[in-house]
Amino acid sequence: DADVTQTPRNRITKTGKRIMLECSQTKGHDRMYWYRQDPGLGLRLIYYSFDVKDINKGEISDGYSVSRQAQAKFSLSLESAIPNQTALYFCATSLSRGGRIDEQFFGPGTRLTVL
Amino acid sequence: GQSLEQPSEVTAVEGAIVQINCTYQTSGFYGLSWYQQHDGGAPTFLSYNALDGLEETGRFSSFLSRSDSYGYLLLQELQMKDSASYFCAVRDNFNKFYFGSGTKLNVKP
Repeated sequence: DADVTQTPRNRITKTGKRIMLECSQTKGHDRMYWYRQDPGLGLRLIYYSFDVKDINKGEISDGYSVSRQAQAKFSLSLESAIPNQTALYFCATSLSRGGRIDEQFFGPGTRLTVL
Repeated sequence: GQSLEQPSEVTAVEGAIVQINCTYQTSGFYGLSWYQQHDGGAPTFLSYNALDGLEETGRFSSFLSRSDSYGYLLLQELQMKDSASYFCAVRDNFNKFYFGSGTKLNVKP
């Protein structure tokens, strides 16, 4: 079954460490997104990408960077992690065509704790 | 800036009908979508409205009024498995998505 996967599923790290979260998809979708979810704040968009050469900042991109290595892979990096980046991180995908853009498919999430 | 408002929590009994409202302010608007998220799970897409009116998908319906910057999700014949958080989301002119903070639905027997 076509899917969106994220690795790792859980990660505990220390302040100042560099960390990478990875997302892969077998859906053949061209658009990919990274969100963070904090309790009571819903989902906030970090970065989004329409294809390998098109990467855009979202609502809260400071402190994060991304890489779209292939159409199917989109990685999120925290160059120097800080405690307030502790959150649940979701990757999502969607098609570019018409109303399908708004139908996003989410991965299972990565729970990141920064001590 | 962008803002979406929805109630933080709603409680209803099994078999009843519940409506979850969402009001939004955005610079540019393509449409309103709804997602369901069970505790510990990922959000899953429920519906999308680009035009005014009602969209029905089984027990779930979604409504949009662009002139009022308002929409709602209607859940009929509530079941225990509908207990979850529900998020509205909008896409702006730059194809950025903004989510509301979510409505926790508690379904009681």
